[in-house]
Amino acid sequence: KAGVTQTPRYLIKTRGQQVTLSCSPISGHRSVSWYQQTPGQGLQFLFEYFSETQRNKGNFPGRFSGRQFSNSRSEMNVSTLELGDSALYLCASSPRWSGQGSGNTIYFGEGSWLTVV
Amino acid sequence: ILNVEQSPQSLHVQEGDSTNFTCSFPSSNFYALHWYRWETAKSPEALFVMTLNGDEKKKGRISATLNTKEGYSYLYIKGSQPEDSATYLCASINQAGTALIFGKGTTLSVSS
Repeated sequence: KAGVTQTPRYLIKTRGQQVTLSCSPISGHRSVSWYQQTPGQGLQFLFEYFSETQRNKGNFPGRFSGRQFSNSRSEMNVSTLELGDSALYLCASSPRWSGQGSGNTIYFGEGSWLTVV
Repeated sequence: ILNVEQSPQSLHVQEGDSTNFTCSFPSSNFYALHWYRWETAKSPEALFVMTLNGDEKKKGRISATLNTKEGYSYLYIKGSQPEDSATYLCASINQAGTALIFGKGTTLSVSS
């Protein structure tokens, strides 16, 4: 069974540009979550999607957005990139969303490394 | 706001040593506690999901306990091996329908 797949793995963008990251969840998983990891910080929650609907949103500015498609694949977009957006962006999938049972294990991809110059 | 703290921040042990880390979280409205192992250049790997006070879980040489009343969980590694070197993350969820909140992790380095 294939794991969570994220593309691209590495990318470099210039300030002011926008970027789209893609995540393919494990087959059969309908929940996709996104996290940001920056040096010195823990994983910061961005948003969670389930059945094409955003179920949860973290404390990030509106420049960060996402969506989920009918096949459960998800994309996140960051517009008007800032230097501080340089980070590892992790996607995670699970069969259920966080509101459906407490024993819900989530499975992470390897992440997309974004560098903003 | 849910605040999850992990200690120590980093730890260096010799092969064969046993070690443990702490994860503390607000005990009010507790829902679940997750532990992950994150090796360099790999994706975080789920170790345990714990929900009940007094819960103990074990996976090989790694085990974890949970105290929801006082808001802490311990992760134990018995007889550490170099392959145990990784960052260990805990994350808590305080009620159904909210997102996991992660601690900053404990980085373990095991020397042979």
